[in-house]
Amino acid sequence: EVQLVESGGGLVQPGGSLRLSCTVSGFIFGDFELNWVRQAPGKGLEWLAYISSGGRAIYYTDSVKGRFIISRDNAKKSLFLQMNSLRVEDTATYYCVRGGGINLPFDSWGQGTLVTVSS
Amino acid sequence: SYVLNQPPSVAVAPGKTATMTCEGDNLGIRSVHWYQQKPGQAPVLVMYNDRGRPSGIPERFSGSNSGNTATLTISRVEAGDEAAYYCQVWDNSNDHRVFGDGTKLTVL
Repeated sequence: EVQLVESGGGLVQPGGSLRLSCTVSGFIFGDFELNWVRQAPGKGLEWLAYISSGGRAIYYTDSVKGRFIISRDNAKKSLFLQMNSLRVEDTATYYCVRGGGINLPFDSWGQGTLVTVSS
Repeated sequence: SYVLNQPPSVAVAPGKTATMTCEGDNLGIRSVHWYQQKPGQAPVLVMYNDRGRPSGIPERFSGSNSGNTATLTISRVEAGDEAAYYCQVWDNSNDHRVFGDGTKLTVL
């Protein structure tokens, strides 16, 4: 069974940093593209970042480019999101998501981790 | 950047057919994917590449895409289909992935 489990969420002050992690099981980690998608409370889904299977191709949505960094460690089967200069509007549930390559769907989602940015 | 438009809400009686639309410029040339999200749960892929049904998704779910509109159709709607539905595409102009704002399906 494919599983993605996020961790690292919590309460952080505006301007602070947080690092999210995602560990997976049930598939060969190094064979798959991965993404971070978030959802603010009561709002829709927002794609944030993509990383290719080998880690060479990386893309960000404009609202987080320059503040967030996506990375992966294929040996540890882990995906990361380093979030810097956090803003109140970054408050959301953050999902680790498999897939999302060119014309490909997001085929498996984690349960999400909540990040709250507040003073 | 590419924009997908979805109506905020759709309501349908049990046993009837629900039709949810997703509009975008020349959307028919793109591959559209659909996700179902029930309250408190992570999204689930219910349709890929316009009309492909993932394993485990009932045949009551079908999709189409032509012109500027993609459609997710749910036949014989059940109470358990009540959820938010999001369409999504890959934007080849900037390699971004784009979601519509979602449609809340209410089963009356």
